[in-house]
Amino acid sequence: NFMLTQPHSVSESPGKTVTISCTRSSGSIATDYVQWYQQRPGSAPITVIYEDDQRLSGVPDRFSGSIDSSSNSASLTISGLKTEDEADYYCQSYESGTPWMVFGGGTKLTVL
Amino acid sequence: QVTLRESGPALVKPTQTLTLTCTFSGFSLSTSGMCVTWIRQPPGKALEWLARIDWDDDEYYNTSLKTRLTVSKDTSKNQVVLTLANLDPADTATYYCARIRVGYRSGWYVDYWGQGTLVTVSS
Repeated sequence: NFMLTQPHSVSESPGKTVTISCTRSSGSIATDYVQWYQQRPGSAPITVIYEDDQRLSGVPDRFSGSIDSSSNSASLTISGLKTEDEADYYCQSYESGTPWMVFGGGTKLTVL
Repeated sequence: QVTLRESGPALVKPTQTLTLTCTFSGFSLSTSGMCVTWIRQPPGKALEWLARIDWDDDEYYNTSLKTRLTVSKDTSKNQVVLTLANLDPADTATYYCARIRVGYRSGWYVDYWGQGTLVTVSS
């Protein structure tokens, strides 16, 4: 079993760029794809990034995903921040080679 | 257009069994590569994966809840049913169903989510 650790919160100003990290505690981050979900207050999550760096249809290209094997982490980068980006963001991966989903603890993004 | 909607009781008592139904449209769960999963979120907390059922009837469960969970499907009705036995107040959460499909690189990912249903476990 492994854990995905995210910062509890991040904040940035409109128009700026923010990066949210997701660190895998054991096993390689490259072994299983990472997904990212956005959850606005009071709403269901939506998928923004899948398979590490693929944007779901309809997601603005301001959102991008990547992985870094050296730090064993994944990142979600949002450029040109808008107030509508204010939400909780969750990373998710799988127990190696299994369908068992593992979620990070979530990061609250404040755009102010 | 793909949609999923959860339904079930809003309030259940401890020790009872919860039955939730996910009714979906816009796809068939008999199509190769299609899956439906259940995920829950206690108030103010993170997402937690519960179970998944695949087009080929394979079932997968969160190991920590496996003895209490059952997932089944009725392809003709476009429904997936989740049952969670022996409820505890710690099971209070919003329960989501979602569609999982295989991606371009053969990874599995959620592409559509239901709106969620809040279930409170209290006597």
